Amino acid sequence: RKEVEQDPGPFNVPEGATVAFNCTYSNSASQSFFWYRQDCRKEPKLLMSVYSSGNEDGRFTAQLNRASQYISLLIRDSKLSDSATYLCVVNKGGQNFVFGPGTRLSVLP
Amino acid sequence: GAVVSQHPSRVICKSGTSVKIECRSLDFQATTMFWYRQFPKKSLMLMATSNEGSKATYEQGVEKDKFLINHASLTLSTLTVTSAHPEDSSFYICSARPRSVTDTQYFGPGTRLTVL
Repeated sequence: RKEVEQDPGPFNVPEGATVAFNCTYSNSASQSFFWYRQDCRKEPKLLMSVYSSGNEDGRFTAQLNRASQYISLLIRDSKLSDSATYLCVVNKGGQNFVFGPGTRLSVLP
Repeated sequence: GAVVSQHPSRVICKSGTSVKIECRSLDFQATTMFWYRQFPKKSLMLMATSNEGSKATYEQGVEKDKFLINHASLTLSTLTVTSAHPEDSSFYICSARPRSVTDTQYFGPGTRLTVL
């Protein structure tokens, strides 16, 4: 089993749709969690950290369920500019960051 | 804040030559820098982790004699691809972890290497 798994995608959704990405991790000792987005041929950029209490940043909401070892990202009212690959990243502690394979999103006009 | 630069952004070289890629943290001190490689439509793969002033830790399957990493200061790490071959063509991305924030990392813009 991979350490971090994500929805395989791709997700093709119309503008304005709500889309949710799922991520699971295998190491129960993992300490911190992040969502990054990566545009084609660019570096990953931090989208948001994920906290146990859940956190929201505008149209983006991230949730963490430690008991189920599950992380989610919800995008509301999707825009064309949201089209990217979304990477779930888990820090196992110290210097151990593990990237998920990513889920590609295409928002269609 | 938290800007990481990489140089060069793109390089094309002949097979057998060596290529050096620089990664700099511009506005913070990075105790740790990471080097990743990404092939087209694939996920980021960690190659090695380097701490300032010490030897890099390489991931399984990454040849340390082929991918030389130097982290001589808190703001600079270099990756040298020695005797490059066409299969080394890839997108190489570095990231840096600030001294003050230990659970996140900031990525450089990447270097696209093409070996002919």
